[in-house]
Formats: sequence, C-alpha cells, structure tokens
Amino acid sequence: DAKTTQPTSMDCAEGRAANLPCNHSTISGNEYVYWYRQIHSQGPQYIIHGLKNNETNEMASLIITEDRKSSTLILPHATLRDTAVYYCIAGDTGTASKLTFGTGTRLQVTL
Amino acid sequence: DAGVTQSPTHLIKTRGQQVTLRCSPKSGHDTVSWYQQALGQGPQFIFQYYEEEERQRGNFPDRFSGHQFPNYSSELNVNALLLGDSALYLCASSLRQINTGELFFGEGSRLTVL
Repeated sequence: DAKTTQPTSMDCAEGRAANLPCNHSTISGNEYVYWYRQIHSQGPQYIIHGLKNNETNEMASLIITEDRKSSTLILPHATLRDTAVYYCIAGDTGTASKLTFGTGTRLQVTL
Repeated sequence: DAGVTQSPTHLIKTRGQQVTLRCSPKSGHDTVSWYQQALGQGPQFIFQYYEEEERQRGNFPDRFSGHQFPNYSSELNVNALLLGDSALYLCASSLRQINTGELFFGEGSRLTVL
C-alpha cells in the first residue's frame, strides 16, 4: 500500500468547513483513497473513499487531485462531535480488509 | 440491526498468560479482520478470516492466532502474553461479495498486560 502523509493536528471552528489534507504521492493506479475517523474510545468509522473522481456522501466530500498524488477530505459544517482522529489510507480493494493506518490527523473542533 | 460486537470490553492479564477475545460481525457480513491499536498509534492489521480460514496476515508472530466459526463470529487468541501486547484490539467486519473497503469496526477490547 502507498504511504500517506497527514498533518498531525488541525483546529476548526464549529460551523465552518474542515479541510483535511492528505499526500499519497506514490499511490498506484488501482489504489483507492479511504478516509476513516476515530472518536475517542470508539472503533474507527468509515467516512468515504474514492479512486479518481470526487465523491460526496452524507458525511463528507472527498476531493482527489487530477494526478492523484493528494486529496482533501471536507466536512462542510463541522460540529463538536466531529472532533476525532482522521485517517487517510491508500489501498486496493483486493486488500480492502488489510488497511494500513498511519497516525492520522487529530481534528479539534472548537466553539 | 446489530453492529459489530466485541467481548470482553476490558481485561487484565499477566505476562505469560493466554487471552481469547471474541467478535460477532455485523449482521450479513461474512469476513472478519482483527487489528491491534497501541496507545497513540493507528490500528495495525493482524489477520483476516473468511470461510473459516485465515486469508491474509499482517506482521504479527505466531503467538497471535484466530478462528472463525460457521456463524461468521471470530476469536483472537494471544499466547505467552508480553507487556507490549497491551493494546486495544479491534474487530472489523465486511461482506466479501461487495469488497469496497468499507469496514465496520467494533468498540474494541482493551487488554492490559501486567
């Protein structure tokens, strides 16, 4: 799996958009970009994934650059409940259960 | 619809002992994966079970073993416990037929080795 690089921590004001970047410059053509988050003392929660095109669901939007070397997860209106560690993972569906988590970005949403 | 359930939630063992952790997958899921999460780190893949067989394995010693039952539930066994085995053990389930990479995680079993 390709290595991903994320900032260690970020802050966001409640109600504002949270934009979490991720670099995956060595991603291969068949590897997806997955985002999970882990709220304190809970198991990781799937957010979204994509291959080439931008993706949106009820939780977030995923913007992938055209060269696929980086991506951004967007939480459009962050709330205090979005405070968590966010993990960006690159992997193919053949090893979809074998996700390689890094240390993620700790997002703190404040009033 | 019950999600992934794990037991026990917390347990304390001493070095050299053995431990068994249990996981019931989300209803309808047939694949179970186990992860170890040390304090301050991301989860690390241990192994995956499908059709009662170990299908993939991460970089963990043979002291870590598992089992999957016909009802898709699973056990993780760790023998000869070391202090470094202290961690949160997470179970994740998925449906192999729609292998999209969306895993459903349980709340985990927190193991402390003294």
